[in-house]
Amino acid sequence: GAGVSQSPSNKVTEKGKDVELRCDPISGHTALYWYRQSLGQGLEFLIYFQGNSAPDKSGLPSDRFSAERTGGSVSTLTIQRTQQEDSAVYLCASSLAGAVEQFFGPGTRLTVL
Amino acid sequence: QKEVEQDPGPLSVPEGAIVSLNCTYSNSAFQYFMWYRQYSRKGPELLMYTYSSGNKEDGRFTAQVDKSSKYISLFIRDSQPSDSATYLCAMSAISGGSNYKLTFGKGTLLTVNP
Repeated sequence: GAGVSQSPSNKVTEKGKDVELRCDPISGHTALYWYRQSLGQGLEFLIYFQGNSAPDKSGLPSDRFSAERTGGSVSTLTIQRTQQEDSAVYLCASSLAGAVEQFFGPGTRLTVL
Repeated sequence: QKEVEQDPGPLSVPEGAIVSLNCTYSNSAFQYFMWYRQYSRKGPELLMYTYSSGNKEDGRFTAQVDKSSKYISLFIRDSQPSDSATYLCAMSAISGGSNYKLTFGKGTLLTVNP
């Protein structure tokens, strides 16, 4: 079956521009996570969605980062006024409700010039 | 001190060797322990997950958890060149009902030489 998909696979942008990253979870998975993987910090949690519950935004590094999940499926991570330190691979993962196992997408590689 | 520590390597072994990968952690609330494998420019792939202390085996892979020492290990027997990848340990504590957000080690880069 189809896994988690993310788009675009690569994004190059200029400092100060806004970017949107998209995640399509596995069908039937109601839990969705965003993580960031950077050279210096490794993989870090950003935000968690589960059904209609309020998201856990505790990992978002600044108010320039936001995410939404429409219709309980597709999610978009938005970074406003991008900075060079935002350059990283942004990974999305999904899981069944109440399940520990998370399945990751291939990631979006963001480069801020 | 980071919550999860993992030696980044790199680790280089000959084909057929037994590989031992390890992580230590400081947060006693962690209850779930996972190992992910990540090939270059791909997303992490779940290999194994364990809940309690002890061993769990799956084919050539064995995961070991020692909660008293806050130490987890992954053993790979009869290593193959296709095992060459970065191995990430990850841990989770239940948060807010069903939020299993993961805390990762930085990963160990493994190369298995034919």
